[in-house]
Amino acid sequence: AQSVTQPDIHITVSEGASLELRCNYSYGATPYLFWYVQSPGQGLQLLLKYFSGDTLVQGIKGFEAEFKRSQSSFNLRKPSVHWSDAAEYFCAVGAFPTGANNLFFGTGTRLTVIP
Amino acid sequence: AAGVIQSPRHLIKEKRETATLKCYPIPRHDTVYWYQQGPGQDPQFLISFYEKMQSDKGSIPDRFSAQQFSDYHSELNMSSLELGDSALYFCASSLADRNTEAFFGQGTRLTVV
Repeated sequence: AQSVTQPDIHITVSEGASLELRCNYSYGATPYLFWYVQSPGQGLQLLLKYFSGDTLVQGIKGFEAEFKRSQSSFNLRKPSVHWSDAAEYFCAVGAFPTGANNLFFGTGTRLTVIP
Repeated sequence: AAGVIQSPRHLIKEKRETATLKCYPIPRHDTVYWYQQGPGQDPQFLISFYEKMQSDKGSIPDRFSAQQFSDYHSELNMSSLELGDSALYFCASSLADRNTEAFFGQGTRLTVV
């Protein structure tokens, strides 16, 4: 069965500090992996995605994620967090590299950034 | 740039009433997706349409129906509303024949009282 686990419900970091949000997935086929960000009152915005090839993918807003097949993980990282990064972050896995059909989302990690 | 437009943004209905949510995709996008996000929950895929035909179906209750119209906008119809239907309903759109991402709207917050 497909599932996505985000072990950290809430993370607090200081502005300028590094960030890593964890994501583990279970998927029967080749996984297509995504990270979305949801700011308060906003829709989901795609940060980055992994289909194949280089396991380190770069996204928007300075985010990157590393796919580790052996660990079934797709952790999101940012070297220096900005106050505007405070939001809810969702990891998702799907069967298609594009679109949004049948995406399975994790329960999200809420990021708080303190001055 | 134009984004996905959802209306209304907020909706309050009583139990057993009917609600209709509308989604206007990004111009020229031919595929629409509906997701439901309960309070503190992750988004759950409901249904999708490509070129006015249902393309995929997720955990959409039988009380719900949806369709995509000739202008590509989509409507999610929800009948016999239950308290548990209170959620944020997202619509997303994409262009199916290109390697494009799906863009999500801001959602419609439905509260059933």
